[in-house]
Amino acid sequence: QLVLTQSPSASASLGASVKFTCTLSSGHSNYAIAWYQQLPEKGPRFLMRVNIDGSHTKGDGIPDRFSGSSSGAERYLTISSLQSEDEADYYCQIWGTDLWVFGGGTKLTVL
Amino acid sequence: QVQLVESGGGVVQPGRSLRLSCAASGFTFSSYAMHWVRQAPGKGLEWVAVIWYDGSSKYYADFVKGRFTISRDNSKKTVDLQMNSLRAEDTAVYYCARVYSRDGYNYVDYWGQGTLVIVSS
Repeated sequence: QLVLTQSPSASASLGASVKFTCTLSSGHSNYAIAWYQQLPEKGPRFLMRVNIDGSHTKGDGIPDRFSGSSSGAERYLTISSLQSEDEADYYCQIWGTDLWVFGGGTKLTVL
Repeated sequence: QVQLVESGGGVVQPGRSLRLSCAASGFTFSSYAMHWVRQAPGKGLEWVAVIWYDGSSKYYADFVKGRFTISRDNSKKTVDLQMNSLRAEDTAVYYCARVYSRDGYNYVDYWGQGTLVIVSS
């Protein structure tokens, strides 16, 4: 079964870095994923796709402060030099032959 | 630039129907698969349905199979979601989304702003 696991919440200070983890279900550790940001009261925005080798391709206009990486069944999103406008929900997504699955999302609080 | 504008949301009674529509612009609509994704109040994103670029394939989440139908009109650059037998748990913001589907990738690269559906008596 295709499942993505994310921690419900994270917090970090202004100017610091934060790393989000998206854990792929057993048997799916070789899948690429996509990361999305959803600002409060807004629609989601595509941030990047992250491959099994950690290479990543970002969406239009995504700052260099956002990067992706990978290790085994985990895919990561790192935001450096945190800004107040980064406070948002972050979701990962995986796709199968005939279904698409989102992780539960991580709510980021910038302190 | 890519624009996706949803319409058709509103308040509907349980058991009734509603049709959502999404108007696309700024890209070659007929070359892209399209999703509907929803988000219940205070909850996460939930995939609903996808339709291939030419309408040849459609897939649905289990919780809407037999109740919802996705369709598209490439000449009008629209994708619709016909929702029948609506339930209170279908209350959500419904997003239209474009799918990047090349080289084995199948993720959303652009989203609309969403339309709110409230199912309540």
